[in-house]
Amino acid sequence: NAGVTQTPKFRILKIGQSMTLQCTQDMNHNYMYWYRQDPGMGLKLIYYSVGAGITDKGEVPNGYNVSRSTTEDFPLRLELAAPSQTSVYFCASSSLGQGGYGYTFGSGTRLTVV
Amino acid sequence: TQLLEQSPQFLSIQEGENLTVYCNSSSVFSSLQWYRQEPGEGPVLLVTVVTGGEVKKLKRLTFQFGDARKDSSLHITAAQPGDTGLYLCAGGDSGGSNYKLTFGKGTLLTVNP
Repeated sequence: NAGVTQTPKFRILKIGQSMTLQCTQDMNHNYMYWYRQDPGMGLKLIYYSVGAGITDKGEVPNGYNVSRSTTEDFPLRLELAAPSQTSVYFCASSSLGQGGYGYTFGSGTRLTVV
Repeated sequence: TQLLEQSPQFLSIQEGENLTVYCNSSSVFSSLQWYRQEPGEGPVLLVTVVTGGEVKKLKRLTFQFGDARKDSSLHITAAQPGDTGLYLCAGGDSGGSNYKLTFGKGTLLTVNP
C-alpha cells in the first residue's frame, strides 16, 4: 500500500506566487490533516477534514485553503506565498482503530518562499 | 488550548545507554501517541496508550501513560544508533474531537556508536 502520498517533495516559490500541495491516501480514511513543521516548533495544524465535503480550520489557517471533494484527496492551496510560509508541510490521515486515531503521515513537502 | 511539553529537547548518548524522555501537560487527553521522525521523512506512529496507568512495550521501548492521563514517558533500554531520530508525543483531544492531535515540540535523540 502507498499510504499517504504528497507531491511535490521540494518547491521554491517567489513571493506572491500560488501553488497547490497535493495529498492522496489509499487507506479509505475519513480524517485528513495538513500540518506545518518549523524547526523547534513542533507540528502545527493548518486545516483538517472529517470526510468528503467537510473541512475546518486548525491552529494556523491564515494564508491557506483546502478542499475535500473525494475521500482520497486533500489538496492544500497557497494563494499569495509569503516568506513566513517557508516550512515543511505534512499531510496525514487517520481512522478510528483500536486505541484511537493513529495518524499515517506523508513524507512531506519542503517549501521555500523567496 | 491543550499544550504538551517534551523534555529534554535534545539528548545525545552512547550506544548501550538507557534513557527516558518525558511528555507533560496540565490537560487531560483521551489518548497519548508517540511518533518517531527521521530526517526528510514524516513521523511514524510507534504506539498509542489510552488508559491511565497503561504501560506498553515495543522491543526495547517502554511507554507509560500517567494515571491522570496528563503525561507520558518513553524509556529506551540499551539504545542503538538506529534509535536516532526526533521523538514526538501527541495527545488526543479530550472533548468531542478526539481525532485531533496536539503535538509536543519533540525530543531529538542522537545515539552515538
